[in-house]
Amino acid sequence: DAGVIQSPRHEVTEMGQEVTLRCKPISGHDYLFWYRQTMMRGLELLIYFNNNVPIDDSGMPEDRFSAKMPNASFSTLKIQPSEPRDSAVYFCASSLTETEVYGYTFGSGTRLTVV
Amino acid sequence: RKEVEQDPGPFNVPEGATVAFNCTYSNSASQSFFWYRQDCRKEPKLLMSVYSSGNEDGRFTAQLNRASQYISLLIRDSKLSDSATYLCVVLGRTSGGSYIPTFGRGTSLIVHP
Repeated sequence: DAGVIQSPRHEVTEMGQEVTLRCKPISGHDYLFWYRQTMMRGLELLIYFNNNVPIDDSGMPEDRFSAKMPNASFSTLKIQPSEPRDSAVYFCASSLTETEVYGYTFGSGTRLTVV
Repeated sequence: RKEVEQDPGPFNVPEGATVAFNCTYSNSASQSFFWYRQDCRKEPKLLMSVYSSGNEDGRFTAQLNRASQYISLLIRDSKLSDSATYLCVVLGRTSGGSYIPTFGRGTSLIVHP
């Protein structure tokens, strides 16, 4: 298996622009998580899905952020409009079950810079 | 109080040393516990799960103390390649019934020659 695949690896955009981050989870994993990591706040859970359905989005910072999972093999995290404070590394992770004994597998992340 | 707390370090130790990290959590209903390792500019990767009875994987030993609500990671005979940030992860159940994994901020370890 190729693991969790995220794209793009790096994104530099101007304030006000729309940004779309993409994730392909490991095949067969029913749970998909979106995290944001910054020096100040560490890793924060934004939202997670079970079988393509959003289960908990309480970590989504505000209405500018939205996430979708149209099918089992693809998810997007969209920021519109983007702001400099959104600059961070965004990770996608997937797992077999909700209480996964073997942990979560992370993608390589998308490093977002909003200027 | 933060849900999951770790000493950020850095812990600066010589090769061959033994080093231990602690992580405290606030949700007494937490179900599962993990240690992850994150190298600079890389994604977190599972190091080991933490079982109630404690568990060992080579030079690494993980312990869980439910009464005091902390987990620990012990690294023996430190190698240069152990230099990384170690993240504590706690899986807790929310009032809505879902399980949320919460990561600590991480403890930085630097092993020097």
